[in-house]
Amino acid sequence: KNQVEQSPQSLIILEGKNCTLQCNYTVSPFSNLRWYKQDTGRGPVSLTIMTFSENTKSNGRYTATLDADTKQSSLHITASQLSDSASYICVVSAKTGGSYIPTFGRGTSLIVHP
Amino acid sequence: GAGVSQTPSNKVTEKGKYVELRCDPISGHTALYWYRQSLGQGPEFLIYFQGTGAADDSGLPNDRFFAVRPEGSVSTLKIQRTERGDSAVYLCASSLTWASGGFDTQYFGPGTRLTVL
Repeated sequence: KNQVEQSPQSLIILEGKNCTLQCNYTVSPFSNLRWYKQDTGRGPVSLTIMTFSENTKSNGRYTATLDADTKQSSLHITASQLSDSASYICVVSAKTGGSYIPTFGRGTSLIVHP
Repeated sequence: GAGVSQTPSNKVTEKGKYVELRCDPISGHTALYWYRQSLGQGPEFLIYFQGTGAADDSGLPNDRFFAVRPEGSVSTLKIQRTERGDSAVYLCASSLTWASGGFDTQYFGPGTRLTVL
């Protein structure tokens, strides 16, 4: 069964600090991995997408890494801001028949304090 | 519209009732997806459409759940004989196409919060 595990479940940091969120997956056959940001009461918004051959991708203060051999990804947030408080969800898509079905992790809840 | 919209934003119903949840995708997006998100969990895939047809409905939990997209735009998720376990946020997303290996970005709506009493 395809699974995506994220850690930590929740994280509290001070504004201006950096943090790293982890994602481990057992999804096959791998197509791509995305990180989403989900604000409370909103739908998820895509931050980055990575394919098998990519090992790092940046989007502003967000940097995602991918190790396809160990099936691990991380999302690093630099110089955190209060607006970074949200749930961060790792999503891995697999090609199943003719479809590309995403498997979502539970998310890491990040709280940034002033 | 500018984004994906979903109606209603909240729906409270009694066990055993029938409910319909509506999704208006971004204009021009041919792919449409339904997900269910329980409290503290990530979204769970239910079904997706390419145009008017259900391309993959493998995520629907049972035959009480059904979705349609008759004209290739608006979609309705229908739940019969609702149970308390159906309580969740139902998210809809759309993307430009589906044929690009799953690389097209999905744009999510705000969701419909369904509560079954």
